Amino acid sequence: GAVVSQHPSWVICKSGTSVKIECRSLDFQATTMFWYRQFPKQSLMLMATSNEGSKATYEQGVEKDKFLINHASLTLSTLTVTSAHPEDSSFYICSAAWSSGRTDTQYFGPGTRLTVL
Amino acid sequence: GENVEQHPSTLSVQEGDSAVIKCTYSDSASNYFPWYKQELGKGPQLIIDIRSNVGEKKDQRIAVTLNKTAKHFSLHITETQPEDSAVYFCAADREYGNKLVFGAGTILRVKS
Repeated sequence: GAVVSQHPSWVICKSGTSVKIECRSLDFQATTMFWYRQFPKQSLMLMATSNEGSKATYEQGVEKDKFLINHASLTLSTLTVTSAHPEDSSFYICSAAWSSGRTDTQYFGPGTRLTVL
Repeated sequence: GENVEQHPSTLSVQEGDSAVIKCTYSDSASNYFPWYKQELGKGPQLIIDIRSNVGEKKDQRIAVTLNKTAKHFSLHITETQPEDSAVYFCAADREYGNKLVFGAGTILRVKS
């Protein structure tokens, strides 16, 4: 149980274009989804937290107009990188959790490798 | 805010030996401490977690210990196997919300 998928697994795009990444919880309803970015040989950095039906909350330093997050249902969240530039190239990973009344266990997706040329 | 330090950054062990990775955290209000294993090019996989109401938890070859007074927790892997080779991350929850703060990671290499 607790399977999270991401699509696509990798994407290459030209500078200035937008890229959408999907995150799905396959066997549970996720009340909260998280988006992380991971640069090579580094740890995971939280970008934003999204709850179904409400606006995402972004971590300090993360541009909300550049990284658009939509959490339209309890099983789907999307991250759109708008006007991507080479410095946005990274490994983007989502996680999903369901509310249990205490800090929720996060289950991670397989990640999406974004390369911006 | 919460800060999590993880040591060592790399660890090499012989197959069959034990491996121990340690983390310290700064926020005494933290209550949840998961450990994740990440293989190259993949997302992190939860391997074990512990909450502050217990001091130790074990799952087959993996165990986690928690010392809330000292604010540190450790991952213990016994009888290591080559497939245990990966990057391991510890994390602690922040005092508000469900957010996690991750350690810098430990590269574990199990030599056969």
